[in-house]
Amino acid sequence: DSGVTQTPKHLITATGQRVTLRCSPRSGDLSVYWYQQSLDQGLQFLIQYYNGEERAKGNILERFSAQQFPDLHSELNLSSLELGDSALYFCASSRDRGREQYFGPGTRLTVT
Amino acid sequence: TQLLEQSPQFLSIQEGENLTVYCNSSSVFSSLQWYRQEPGEGPVLLVTVVTGGEVKKLKRLTFQFGDARKDSSLHITAAQPGDTGLYLCAGVFRNNAGNMLTFGGGTRLMVKP
Repeated sequence: DSGVTQTPKHLITATGQRVTLRCSPRSGDLSVYWYQQSLDQGLQFLIQYYNGEERAKGNILERFSAQQFPDLHSELNLSSLELGDSALYFCASSRDRGREQYFGPGTRLTVT
Repeated sequence: TQLLEQSPQFLSIQEGENLTVYCNSSSVFSSLQWYRQEPGEGPVLLVTVVTGGEVKKLKRLTFQFGDARKDSSLHITAAQPGDTGLYLCAGVFRNNAGNMLTFGGGTRLMVKP
């Protein structure tokens, strides 16, 4: 158990819909990272938040957005969903600028 | 964009065999990490190698960082079914945001009893 929690574990929705994925980092970790893992593209970095502020952006689509709240939990919002958005979405956390990231169990999103 | 290539992508071996997984890049990283991921779970950090030429051992797993800090290898001795999983390498680089990871495509290992 990494100490990072993610909900829901599984999510099935239709194209065009909007979903919210939730992540709670390890106690004391200020940084939260979101990754997308699909079969054909491996683990892709989406976005990082540090203490409530966006710190870095990766390959995140404009239809996707995230935020980190004062209690440090984070949410990833995916809108206008397409079939190709089906993937595993992982959240990771680390101490401030720490090198070691601890991953949650992921949310499996299926878009039908 | 820092790219990491892992090989092989898939590996199916018998219990007791040895294997090596490679992770290569044209970029220099400040350090390199290896993760193992099992079905339904997130990646779990196995090791971080920092110095060029560094070798670290974790029981039957040996990790090596290339002298130029561009490549790495993972060697497993006498593989066991419990070693089955997805092995990911991740290059660590620093930018204004701190330490960022870029992942290789992964090596899916199956060890048959």
